[in-house]
Formats: sequence, structure tokens, C-alpha cells
Amino acid sequence: GQNIDQPTEMTATEGAIVQINCTYQTSGFNGLFWYQQHAGEAPTFLSYNVLDGLEEKGRFSSFLSRSKGYSYLLLKELQMKDSASYLCAVERGGGNKLTFGTGTQLKVEL
Amino acid sequence: SAVISQKPSRDICQRGTSLTIQCQVDSQVTMMFWYRQQPGQSLTLIATANQGSEATYESGFVIDKFPISRPNLTFSTLTVSNMSPEDSSIYLCSVEDAVEGRFFGPGTRLTVL
Repeated sequence: GQNIDQPTEMTATEGAIVQINCTYQTSGFNGLFWYQQHAGEAPTFLSYNVLDGLEEKGRFSSFLSRSKGYSYLLLKELQMKDSASYLCAVERGGGNKLTFGTGTQLKVEL
Repeated sequence: SAVISQKPSRDICQRGTSLTIQCQVDSQVTMMFWYRQQPGQSLTLIATANQGSEATYESGFVIDKFPISRPNLTFSTLTVSNMSPEDSSIYLCSVEDAVEGRFFGPGTRLTVL
């Protein structure tokens, strides 16, 4: 089976840096996605990691360690609009299926 | 990235009826998926919509309840059959495009009374 863990909630200050962790246990691991989802909206694609290491994309970076079953999403220079749910999703198997974690609700405060 | 549209965007339905949700993509994509997101929860994969063959369903989801069509590489439908209030959810279409991005449609918000 699959097990994906993320913190339920996090709070951070505008302008700061926040790291959202995701640990997973799964068979047939292909890669890991991060999505942002604002309330009432569809998830928005942020990143996809296949190989170990850090992928940087503007203010957002994502890290993967396949051997440790661990990923994190790093958000820099936080803005109020970054308040959202952040979903970690593991891609598995030959059918490229995604299994989602429960999401981390991030609140950015002044 | 692929542009995905869904119809309807929302609907309120009576118990026992069925609703068909359409998903249209602006480019040909190999993989199309249907997800459900129940209130306050994360996304759950219902099935993979296969072009030209029967959909592949995940554990807990069956074809009689969620029949899926995929007549070509840009279009798919999901039907929620014999609805009950427990089917109230957001239903999302997802596609995988050529640059390894996985994108979601805007979702269909379904309320069953």
C-alpha cells in the first residue's frame, strides 16, 4: 500500500522562508509532485522531482531523496497569496497514477 | 501547459439520478484521469480513462457507479450514477502532457440532495 505524510497545518510570516515536508512509503515509485490549491480552486502544478536533489523554480524549490522516501517544498520570500493548501503526490506504477497526501494548510501572516 | 475545461462547473442533483461530467483538453494527451475531492479532504484517484478501451478503476470504485468514456485523445466523460448524498464532492479531470506536467481541470462541484 501507500502511506504519505505531511503536516496538517503550518503558519509563517510574510517575507520569511517555510519548508513543507513530505514522507512516503510506496512501491513502484516513479516521481513526486507538489501542487498548490487555494480554497475552492483546482490544484496548480508546482514541481515534479524524479531524481535526488533540489529543483529550483523562482521562489519555490523542491527536494527529493528517493532512498529516504522524503521530499520537501521550500517557499522563499513568502507572500500573503501563498496562503493555500500544499499537496504532495507520489507517482507510482506503470500507469503513472498519483496518490495524494492529505495536504498542508499554510497560513501566511503579517 | 494543456488547457482543460470541465462541464458543468457545478450542479445540484437529486438522490437516485445520474450526472455526466465532461472534460475537454485543448491538445492531444495520452493519459487522462478522474479524481474526487470530498469536502475538506485530499484528492482520490477514481480511474484512468483509456482511449479506445475500458477505464482502469482504483480500489473502491466500480464501472457501474462511475462509467467513463474516452472516445479520443482530447475528451473524456465521467458519469456519477444513482447518486446519493455521499457522492457530494468535487470531481476533477487531470491530464499528463508531453513535458511531464500533470495538470487539473477546474473541477465540477456536485451536491446531491
